[in-house]
Amino acid sequence: NAGVTQTPKFRVLKTGQSMTLLCAQDMNHEYMYWYRQDPGMGLRLIHYSVGEGTTAKGEVPDGYNVSRLKKQNFLLGLESAAPSQTSVYFCASSFRQGLRNQPQHFGDGTRLSIL
Amino acid sequence: DAKTTQPPSMDCAEGRAANLPCNHSTISGNEYVYWYRQIHSQGPQYIIHGLKNNETNEMASLIITEDRKSSTLILPHATLRDTAVYYCIVQRAAGNKLTFGGGTRVLVKP
Repeated sequence: NAGVTQTPKFRVLKTGQSMTLLCAQDMNHEYMYWYRQDPGMGLRLIHYSVGEGTTAKGEVPDGYNVSRLKKQNFLLGLESAAPSQTSVYFCASSFRQGLRNQPQHFGDGTRLSIL
Repeated sequence: DAKTTQPPSMDCAEGRAANLPCNHSTISGNEYVYWYRQIHSQGPQYIIHGLKNNETNEMASLIITEDRKSSTLILPHATLRDTAVYYCIVQRAAGNKLTFGGGTRVLVKP
């Protein structure tokens, strides 16, 4: 029972390079989320998706793009990496939010350093 | 979403109950209280959530005051593996964003 799987786990990039972080979930969740966590701080929402083919901006979306072509996958892209994007990135998923709220399930994170 | 206030840190003896307080005085009627924890270097882990009634599961109990302005997470028999940062979060029904504050850093000591 894998849950939420993030790849890669670690990556070092140079300023200006691009890359894509992959998140996969096997729980048939409708909603998926990307967060970033900087040292000593809580998580901040970057983008999220309420279903296949739909995405929306979160709290800190600048410099990132996302795609949800398949229900089980949510991709986070950095087109031109900047040192300010050095962070730990967490993906999460949940069932559809409704009157009975649903908890989010998190992956173990991707540690990204940009030099 | 309502803001929450938690003590920055607390210690607990192994085998004893850990009681973690949280204030959410501006909570509104359709907002849930959630608790997550984050063990060092891992992703946040869901613990429990509630609306107005007390809740219990295999991990913890959640006690919400009658006016819903505060709550307490209870870990009944703390173990060394419960050492983590615990986040109290208020989220509205159908909300899509978890707002993580500073949390409470809990250290369980032998």
